[in-house]
Formats: sequence, C-alpha cells, structure tokens
Amino acid sequence: SQTIHQWPATLVQPVGSPLSLECTVEGTSNPNLYWYRQAAGRGLQLLFYSVGIGQISSEVPQNLSASRPQDRQFILSSKKLLLSDSGFYLCAWSPPGVSTGYFGPGTRLTVL
Amino acid sequence: GDSVTQMEGPVTLSEEAFLTINCTYTATGYPSLFWYVQYPGEGLQLLLKATKADDKGSNKGFEATYRKETTSFHLEKGSVQVSDSAVYFCALSDQSGSARQLTFGSGTQLTVLP
Repeated sequence: SQTIHQWPATLVQPVGSPLSLECTVEGTSNPNLYWYRQAAGRGLQLLFYSVGIGQISSEVPQNLSASRPQDRQFILSSKKLLLSDSGFYLCAWSPPGVSTGYFGPGTRLTVL
Repeated sequence: GDSVTQMEGPVTLSEEAFLTINCTYTATGYPSLFWYVQYPGEGLQLLLKATKADDKGSNKGFEATYRKETTSFHLEKGSVQVSDSAVYFCALSDQSGSARQLTFGSGTQLTVLP
C-alpha cells in the first residue's frame, strides 16, 4: 500500500531564516506531487505541483520554491522566511491522470 | 478559473442531528467533485467523491450528489456523532491536464455536542 510521509511535524523558525520541508511517498512510482498551504482559519492553497523529476509548476508567486530530486521526494524550501509564511503545509500525491489526492500528515510552521 | 464556495461555519449541532453543508462550484469543464475531512491536528482524508453528473458519493454515513444543473455537491448525514467533529472541505478537480490539482473551498468547521 502507498504511504506518504512529511517532516518535521512542527517547526518554529525566526523571520529571515531558511526553510526545508520534505515529503516522500512509498509504494508507488511516478506520482504527481503537490504542496498546499493552509493558513489559519482559511482553506487550502495550492503552491506547487510536479508531474516528474525536476518538473515543477508554481501556482502562486512567493518566496517559496520546490524541488523534486527523486521520483518520490518533494521538497519545499525558502531562503528567507516571512511572517506570512506561517501555516500548515500539506504534501499530497496522486497517480498520474487521477484527480484523487492523498495527503500527508502536514507540517505546522510558525514564523516568529 | 475554477472555484468552490462552501457554506461558512462554524456549524454546531447536537448528536444525532441532521447535517447539511452546502457546496457550489464554478468550472469550465466537467470536474470531479470531492469532500475531504480534516480532524484536529491532522492532514486531509478523502471522505467521498463523484466523477460525473448525478453520481452519489457515500462513506461513513455521509452522502453527496453531483448536481450539474445547480452546480452543487452538498454534504449530508442523517445523524451526526461527536466523532464527526472536524473541518470539511469541498473540492473539485479539473479533468484536463496530467496534474489533476484540486481546488478547495474554504472549509466548514463542524462541532458536534453530546
């Protein structure tokens, strides 16, 4: 069966510090991968998606970036965090061409 | 572009009450429709889905019917339990393209009191 992992589960970082969140998927190959952000009291916003290694599409311009160095690994990064980057970050995967997204447990990021 | 509008919360019900959470959508094509549930401190879980008009998705006593004529996908449950307390998200997925990203509504917080 497929599983999706995210880490860390929680993170507190000062403004201006770098960020690296990691997501890995097991039990499948060539998945579509997604990063979503959920700000406090708000819905989910798609940040990035990837259909293959090295292929990243950005939905919202911001100071975040994403990379996919391996087929089942998806990384969200920032060189300098802003207060507005605080939120709950969710990684998701889906089989190619399939709509259903399977979500990871999330990372709660607080920028102080 | 595509969008999803959900009934604003929070919604507070007593145990065994009837639940309806309204969801309407705007899409250019024929999207698939979903309800996801998020329990406190957790990620999202798929609750149910429908891929074409008049389809009814159901799971754990929850139901939603894909109504193309009213562009709606309302979530219903006949008798809620305390364990149903969570945030519910309606979502759609455009059928085009290889990356079927989801467009979410803003979520509806449900609290069920014993």
